[in-house]
Amino acid sequence: GQQVMQIPQYQHVQEGEDFTTYCNSSTTLSNIQWYKQRPGGHPVFLIQLVKSGEVKKQKRLTFQFGEAKKNSSLHITATQTTDVGTYFCAGGAQKLVFGQGTRLTINP
Amino acid sequence: GAVVSQHPSWVICKSGTSVKIECRSLDFQATTMFWYRQFPKQSLMLMATSNEGSKATYEQGVEKDKFLINHASLTLSTLTVTSAHPEDSSFYICSAPKTGNHDEQYFGPGTRLTVT
Repeated sequence: GQQVMQIPQYQHVQEGEDFTTYCNSSTTLSNIQWYKQRPGGHPVFLIQLVKSGEVKKQKRLTFQFGEAKKNSSLHITATQTTDVGTYFCAGGAQKLVFGQGTRLTINP
Repeated sequence: GAVVSQHPSWVICKSGTSVKIECRSLDFQATTMFWYRQFPKQSLMLMATSNEGSKATYEQGVEKDKFLINHASLTLSTLTVTSAHPEDSSFYICSAPKTGNHDEQYFGPGTRLTVT
């Protein structure tokens, strides 16, 4: 079945440094979604990308969808302590398949 | 924004007992809801798709007789863990798409189940 791989599994940065997580699907995706889960919390929707090569920005967050619609990335510029959490990508046709997530920790 | 609630938020039960978890869409109707399980420091694993008025669709490896799902109304789906065992201890999260399966999922706050 469809698999969504996400790397890295963990990332620790100094506050102010940039952070990027990458997502790769074994099949072409109709869309890809990104979620953030704070420690002890539930996933919260961040964004959905639909078009090939699409790039969307939310303040310090930049999301990209690959030309082949099989990969995606989330880049955070100048991380802040509020960015701590696990970031998941998810894709799928009838139901979402989640990547393993990237846990971001930040040294203030 | 759309809100999905879950009850209870946490529950401790003894091995062999059954536990029911409720998932409600508070300000929208959801013909479809999804149930996930998340083990510590792991990703969300889809267990089943709950369909209003019809049988749930279970993912491979998920026992339908152990995880009973009922979607009796457009705003309520329930997951019952029957004859719970310690290995069923996990974080159970439901979600509902606002419109259609491709749209963003609104997740409930989750239910932490501990089976002793």
